[in-house]
Amino acid sequence: KQEVTQIPAALSVPEGENLVLNCSFTDSAIYNLQWFRQDPGKGLTSLLLIQSSQREQTSGRLNASLDKSSGRSTLYIAASQPGDSATYLCAVWEVADKLIFGTGTRLQVFP
Amino acid sequence: EPEVTQTPSHQVTQMGQEVILRCVPISNHLYFYWYRQILGQKVEFLVSFYNNEISEKSEIFDDQFSVERPDGSNFTLKIRSTKLEDSAMYFCASLQGNTIYFGEGSWLTVV
Repeated sequence: KQEVTQIPAALSVPEGENLVLNCSFTDSAIYNLQWFRQDPGKGLTSLLLIQSSQREQTSGRLNASLDKSSGRSTLYIAASQPGDSATYLCAVWEVADKLIFGTGTRLQVFP
Repeated sequence: EPEVTQTPSHQVTQMGQEVILRCVPISNHLYFYWYRQILGQKVEFLVSFYNNEISEKSEIFDDQFSVERPDGSNFTLKIRSTKLEDSAMYFCASLQGNTIYFGEGSWLTVV
């Protein structure tokens, strides 16, 4: 059974820092991997999708990498801002139509 | 930006009552999902729906749960006899290609 774990569970950093969020999954036979952002009481917003044949994806200040063989992904956030404060969720597509979510990393960026 | 809409945003119900949560997926999408998130826990897959039938369901999705697409636009989740442990945020999502969109969620409180 696929298990997705995220470290750290919570992170508090000053504005401007570069930071790395970690995600690990137990079964490397994944279809794709996706990172989401969740604001309190809100839905999930997709940040980056990495297809299983890819090693990384970039969008603005965000860069996500994928190492399927070791069951790991990282989300790199450059020059963090208070508006980045949210919970970040890693999720693997187990088959083409089923997402398994991680435990989440709650990020707070203070001015 | 296309969006998935969910109603109600919040519902309080007595234990044992039936609840119907409604979703309007994005119109040209083919896959629909329900996920739930118990407070402080992971987002969990409940069910996927494709071509007017259930594609996959989790062990959580027992006989108390059902889904329907009654009129070609709405996608509903019914819980027949709610339990206290059904209290959670329920998210609807729809997928086209590699892009998944989540609604803002329906917060269900069972008392």
